[in-house]
Amino acid sequence: KQEVTQIPAALSVPEGENLVLNCSFTDSAIYNLQWFRQDPGKGLTSLLLIQSSQREQTSGRLNASLDKSSGRSTLYIAASQPGDSATYLCAVPGVNTGGFKTIFGAGTRLFVKA
Amino acid sequence: NAGVTQTPKFQVLKTGQSMTLQCAQDMNHEYMSWYRQDPGMGLRLIHYSVGAGITDQGEVPNGYNVSRSTTEDFPLRLLSAAPSQTSVYFCAAGGGQETQYFGPGTRLLVL
Repeated sequence: KQEVTQIPAALSVPEGENLVLNCSFTDSAIYNLQWFRQDPGKGLTSLLLIQSSQREQTSGRLNASLDKSSGRSTLYIAASQPGDSATYLCAVPGVNTGGFKTIFGAGTRLFVKA
Repeated sequence: NAGVTQTPKFQVLKTGQSMTLQCAQDMNHEYMSWYRQDPGMGLRLIHYSVGAGITDQGEVPNGYNVSRSTTEDFPLRLLSAAPSQTSVYFCAAGGGQETQYFGPGTRLLVL
């Protein structure tokens, strides 16, 4: 059974710092891995999707990497800003379930201090 | 382009009442799904659909019913509400091998 773990559970950093959020998964049979952002009381917003054949994906100050063989992904945020404060979740749809049962990590709650 | 919309935003029910949470998408995705989000439990899949007329159970389907008569709409029915169903419910379109898009959520309180 696929399990997704995110470390750390919470993180507080000063503005301007570069930071890395971690996501690990137990079953390497995945179609892709998606990173989301969730603001308090809101829905999830897709940030990046990395296909299983890709090693990384970039969008602005965000860079996500994927190492399928070791079951790990990282989300790198450059020059963090207070507006980056949110919960970040990673998710994997499992190949063994036809991609229809996506498993989510519990998230990393990020606070960027001004 | 509204994306994924959900109604209502907030609902209070008494134990035993039934209700339907509405979800609609205008992105023409075949795949839609319902999740519940609880503190300490993360997001858990309730039901999903791979197209009109096709639905299947997720991780926590008990007490919920779904149908998919059109590509656009995917309502979630609570048959007889229980306090354990107090949660935030999210509908999503896409997923699988595609990007998944979420609605804003419905916050449900069952007394």
